[in-house]
Amino acid sequence: AQSVTQPDIHITVSEGASLELRCNYSYGATPYLFWYVQSPGQGLQLLLKYFSGDTLVQGIKGFEAEFKRSQSSFNLRKPSVHWSDAAEYFCAVGDRGYNKLIFGAGTRLAVHP
Amino acid sequence: SQTIHQWPATLVQPVGSPLSLECTVEGTSNPNLYWYRQAAGRGLQLLFYSVGIGQISSEVPQNLSASRPQDRQFILSSKKLLLSDSGFYLCAWSAPVGVQPQHFGDGTRLSIL
Repeated sequence: AQSVTQPDIHITVSEGASLELRCNYSYGATPYLFWYVQSPGQGLQLLLKYFSGDTLVQGIKGFEAEFKRSQSSFNLRKPSVHWSDAAEYFCAVGDRGYNKLIFGAGTRLAVHP
Repeated sequence: SQTIHQWPATLVQPVGSPLSLECTVEGTSNPNLYWYRQAAGRGLQLLFYSVGIGQISSEVPQNLSASRPQDRQFILSSKKLLLSDSGFYLCAWSAPVGVQPQHFGDGTRLSIL
């Protein structure tokens, strides 16, 4: 069965530091992968997606993610974190059956000044 | 451009009362529609999804039901709310063909007293 694991529940980084959020997936075929961000009390906003092609994907707000098939991973990165990046981040894999997304449990990011 | 509206933003209801949450999408036709619940500190749980008018698939047995009376309208209902129905409810839509990103509304915070 398809699944998504985000190993880190909480991460704290200093403003200006680099960031990497981990995501591992289990899916039988070539996955469609997504990263979303959720600010407190808000809906989810799509940061980036991977469908095929270049394994390094650029997204909004300076984020990027790299698909590594051999490691079943799709980690999210940002070279320099801003205080406004504090939020919860969700990784998801797409189920081709009915365009259902399977979400990980999320990683809550705190940013220290 | 496409937009998604959810209302109300917050709702406080007594146990045993009925529920109706509404979601509408503008700027697209025949979208796939989804209802999720997010309990405090938890990830997203898919409750229902719909690929067309009157077509509802339930992901988990529960006290809730969904309906799609019009192409771009998705309603989440309950006849008698339970304490366990508290949470943050999110509606989302996606394009109908293939695996596409889902786009989320701003959510409804439901508190059961």
